[in-house]
Amino acid sequence: GDSVTQMEGPVTLSEEAFLTINCTYTATGYPSLFWYVQYPGEGLQLLLKATKADDKGSNKGFEATYRKETTSFHLEKGSVQVSDSAVYFCALSGANDYKLSFGAGTTVTVRA
Amino acid sequence: DTAVSQTPKYLVTQMGNDKSIKCEQNLGHDTMYWYKQDSKKFLKIMFSYNNKELIINETVPNRFSPKSPDKAHLNLHINSLELGDSAVYFCASSGADTQYFGPGTRLTVL
Repeated sequence: GDSVTQMEGPVTLSEEAFLTINCTYTATGYPSLFWYVQYPGEGLQLLLKATKADDKGSNKGFEATYRKETTSFHLEKGSVQVSDSAVYFCALSGANDYKLSFGAGTTVTVRA
Repeated sequence: DTAVSQTPKYLVTQMGNDKSIKCEQNLGHDTMYWYKQDSKKFLKIMFSYNNKELIINETVPNRFSPKSPDKAHLNLHINSLELGDSAVYFCASSGADTQYFGPGTRLTVL
C-alpha cells in the first residue's frame, strides 16, 4: 500500500539556519503530496502541497518539489525562525481516494 | 469562522465508560474523516464518510462507531473505553484532494 517515510527527528537548529526535512514515498499511480505542520497544542495545518510531478509547493518561506524520479518531496526553508518550531508531517493521498497516509512526523525546535 | 470544529477539546474519563466526540465543518465538503494521533505523534486514519456514507474503515475495533447525521457532521462514539484509546483524535474534511483538520480532542482514559 501507500506509505511515506520521513526523516526522524528531533531536529534542533539556531535561528536563521537552513532547514531540510527529507520525505520519500511509495505509491501506485500519481499521488498528491502534502506537508502539514502542527504547532504545539494545536491541530494540523496545511503548509503546502503539490499534485503532479515537478510541481513546487511553497508557503511561508517553505518549499518542496514533487520529484517523481526519486519519489521524494523534501521540505526546505532557507532561514528558520523560532516561530517555526513545530512538528512537520509529510503526507500523500492516493490517486484513487483522498485518504491521507502520513509520515511519522519530524519535531523541529529553533533556538534563538 | 472556524472551518472544522470539534467538541470537546479535552475528555478525561474512566475505563469502561462510553463517550462521544462531535465534529462539524462549514466548508461545504462532501467527505469527512477521523484520525487518531498516538503519544509518539503518529497519525492514522480511522474512518472516512462521503455524503453520510462510510467509505473507509481502517480495521478499527467495533467499539468505535462513527455517525454522520448529515454531510456537515461526523461524530465518533466510543464504547467501553480502554487505556489504549488515550490519544488525540482529529476530525478532517475535504472537498477535493486537500484535507482540513479540526483542532483535535485529547482523550485520556484513566
